[in-house]
Amino acid sequence: GENVEQHPSTLSVQEGDSAVIKCTYSDSASNYFPWYKQELGKGPQLIIDIRSNVGEKKDQRIAVTLNKTAKHFSLHITETQPEDSAVYFCAASRSGGGADGLTFGKGTHLIIQP
Amino acid sequence: KAGVTQTPRYLIKTRGQQVTLSCSPISGHRSVSWYQQTPGQGLQFLFEYFSETQRNKGNFPGRFSGRQFSNSRSEMNVSTLELGDSALYLCASSLAAGLAGGNEQFFGPGTRLTVL
Repeated sequence: GENVEQHPSTLSVQEGDSAVIKCTYSDSASNYFPWYKQELGKGPQLIIDIRSNVGEKKDQRIAVTLNKTAKHFSLHITETQPEDSAVYFCAASRSGGGADGLTFGKGTHLIIQP
Repeated sequence: KAGVTQTPRYLIKTRGQQVTLSCSPISGHRSVSWYQQTPGQGLQFLFEYFSETQRNKGNFPGRFSGRQFSNSRSEMNVSTLELGDSALYLCASSLAAGLAGGNEQFFGPGTRLTVL
């Protein structure tokens, strides 16, 4: 089955700086890669996703890049703000019928220092 | 539009008991997936239901089961509870089965289960 590795486990950045979280996956058939943000006491919230026919996707301060050859994808957050502090999870899956659900990385605790 | 709702939010049980958790998907969503979240194992896929049928199941013992009703609401059941079943159980809904384009999963707040 799929295996997703996520690094780093904790990331502390100064407010206004950029943050980058990286994930690798093992199943070359995976073609859907969402990122979720989880705040304390809440369920994961989808913030951005990318599919294997696209190399990069951007939504305001958030961007995701995908390298299918190397089987890795990254989340980039620019101009970080205090409300960006949370745990971020990457995930991978095959889309369409036969999907086995999302396989998640272990999460990155992002801390924004004032 | 209301999000995914899960009840109860917190639950305390003792070993050997059984428990039933409930999930109401976003209105119009017909697929419900369940995940277990623990500090050690992270988020792990339990199963997915669509049109009252289980489509996929993760690597969990048969003590974990679920069902989906005609209104798309879903329940999951854990029998003969063990200490290791203590976790946050998350439900996610999507419009249709699978994860094809436009069919993203949206999570509820979870049910925190503590087994004593």
